Amino acid sequence: EMQLLESGGGLVQPGGSLRLSCVASGFTFSSYWMTWVRQIPGRGLEWVANINREGSEKFYVDSVKGRFTIFRDDAKNSLYLQMNSLRAEDTAVYYCARQVVTSSDVFDVWGQGTVVTVSS
Amino acid sequence: AIQMTQSPSSLSASVGDRVTIACRASQGIRNDLGWYQQKPGKAPKLLIYSASSLQSGVPSRFSGSGSGTDFTLTISSLQPEDSATYYCLQDNNYPFTFGPGTKVQIK
Repeated sequence: EMQLLESGGGLVQPGGSLRLSCVASGFTFSSYWMTWVRQIPGRGLEWVANINREGSEKFYVDSVKGRFTIFRDDAKNSLYLQMNSLRAEDTAVYYCARQVVTSSDVFDVWGQGTVVTVSS
Repeated sequence: AIQMTQSPSSLSASVGDRVTIACRASQGIRNDLGWYQQKPGKAPKLLIYSASSLQSGVPSRFSGSGSGTDFTLTISSLQPEDSATYYCLQDNNYPFTFGPGTKVQIK
């Protein structure tokens, strides 16, 4: 069974840092692009960042550029999101998802999410 | 960034009804659009990709159509388990952007 399991969420003060992890199982992790999507409580979904199979291409939503870094470790079947200079508006549930890139880009396997709360 | 809008923001319908949700992009995105279903406390689930292709395992009562700027998700016969929020997502251009969602409730 294909699974993604996020961890690393928690309570952090504004300006602080947090690293999210996402461990994959049940599929060949190194063969896929991966992505992070977040959801502010009670609100909609926002795509945050993604990374290609080789780790050489990374894309970010403007609101996190320069503060967040996505990276991967294929030996550990793991995806990461390093979040620095956190703001209250970064408070959300963060999901990792497998991204299938063909004629379209789809997010076909999702984790259960990890909660990040930025508050003093 | 490409802006996505959805209408209606919410709807209430009876079991067996045909339900249609609209999604509009602020600029042409060819057919680079997906539809996702999300139930409370759960991760989103892919229903439709490339505007009209049904994801494996998704019931055939779900269908998608459209191209360019206007897209539609149709549920041909609403079932109780379809109560959820539905989001469209454009993957034509970075940053990928979701619509604000349409909440579907069962009468």
